[in-house]
This record gives sequence, C-alpha cells and structure tokens, in this order.
Amino acid sequence: DIQMTQSPSSLSASVGDRVTITCRASQNINNFLNWFQQQAGKTPKLLIYSASTLQSGVPSRFSGSGSGTDFTLTINSLQPEDFATYFCLQYYSVPYTFGQGTKLEIK
Amino acid sequence: QLVESGGGLVQPGGSLRLSCAASGFSFSSYWMTWVRQAPGKGLEWVANIKEDGSEKYYMDSVKGRFTISRDNAKNSQYLQMNSLRAEDTALYYCAIGMRNYVHWGQGTLVTVSS
Repeated sequence: DIQMTQSPSSLSASVGDRVTITCRASQNINNFLNWFQQQAGKTPKLLIYSASTLQSGVPSRFSGSGSGTDFTLTINSLQPEDFATYFCLQYYSVPYTFGQGTKLEIK
Repeated sequence: QLVESGGGLVQPGGSLRLSCAASGFSFSSYWMTWVRQAPGKGLEWVANIKEDGSEKYYMDSVKGRFTISRDNAKNSQYLQMNSLRAEDTALYYCAIGMRNYVHWGQGTLVTVSS
C-alpha cells in the first residue's frame, strides 16, 4: 500500500498568515492526489483535485502543487474559517490512502 | 443527498450492515465509496464499488471481513461488516465518486465493544 505522510501534524498560525502543508507519498503517484478540509464536527470538503486543480467554489487563496512523491497545499491570507484539519488522499492505486491529517489552529 | 443508516453498538466478532440511501442524482452513473473516521482520528478509505458493481476494492484490514455492494434499483449502497473488531469503531461515511468526493453523507456510528 502507498503510505501518505503529512507534515506538520499540527500548525499554529494567525489570521492573514500564509501556511504550507506537505504530503509525501511512499512512491510515485504522479499527480493523483486530492486535498480535503474538515472543519470541526463537519463532513470533509474537497478543496483540490489532481494535485493542483481548485474545486469549484473553493476560494482562490487555496492552492496545490507537486507531482511524483511531494505535494503541498498552500493557504494564503488565512481566514477564520480556514482553521480546520486538512487531509491528502492518494488515488494512484488501491487501496486509496489518506494522510494522517494536519490540524491548523489559531495562534 | 446521502443518508447512512445501520450503525450501532456490536460486540467483537459481531456483524452489521450499513446502508447508504442516495437521492438527487443519477446513482447508477457513479462509483460509490465508504470512508471511516475513528473518534478523534483521521480519515480512512474503506472501500469503493463501480457503477455496475463489477469492480470492488477494499483497504487491507477489512478484506475478507467487509463486503461492499449496491442496488441501483433502490439507489442504495451497502457495507456488510463481519468479524468486527474494536479497531473498526468509527463514523462511517458514504461518498459519491471514485476519488473526488464532493458529496458526503453525515455518517453512521459503529461502536465495537463488549
């Protein structure tokens, strides 16, 4: 199975900051990676698919990049509603696997 | 809309059958997926099934114990869970699609405990 390792596991930041979350795959997954946001008590929300394509309706302050084994999710100018947990998902091969999550907290 | 049901408290070694009732879209045109989340933990991809049920895939730890199925006439998918273990305790979500999970149900809670 492909292992997905996210870093950091948690992150403290302030409104207006720029943050970057990393996801590393245990093998090449091309660009077969999605990013999800999960706010406390809510269902996950698709932010980015195919590593860098913004899902419809998602604010442009979110962006994704990477290919192969290393991927990043960047959030520019953090807003209060962005404080949540973020997960990556590889779908290069089954079983698909999520990263362990990155909890973004208010500083 | 996706509505899961069938969760509950079950003893280790027991069985449960989860259901996911779909509405508002052409159910038979989409892969369907189950994702779970243990309390306070991350997301785990569990299984998915092709539009016509001809392909099914599972995470390693549930292979041989869980069976995903669907009934397109009833716009529903199912997860039959046998030989349940404490580590299967989680909120089980139903999601539309093979990988781009835009729409999710609210989940049904499965608790495996004696």
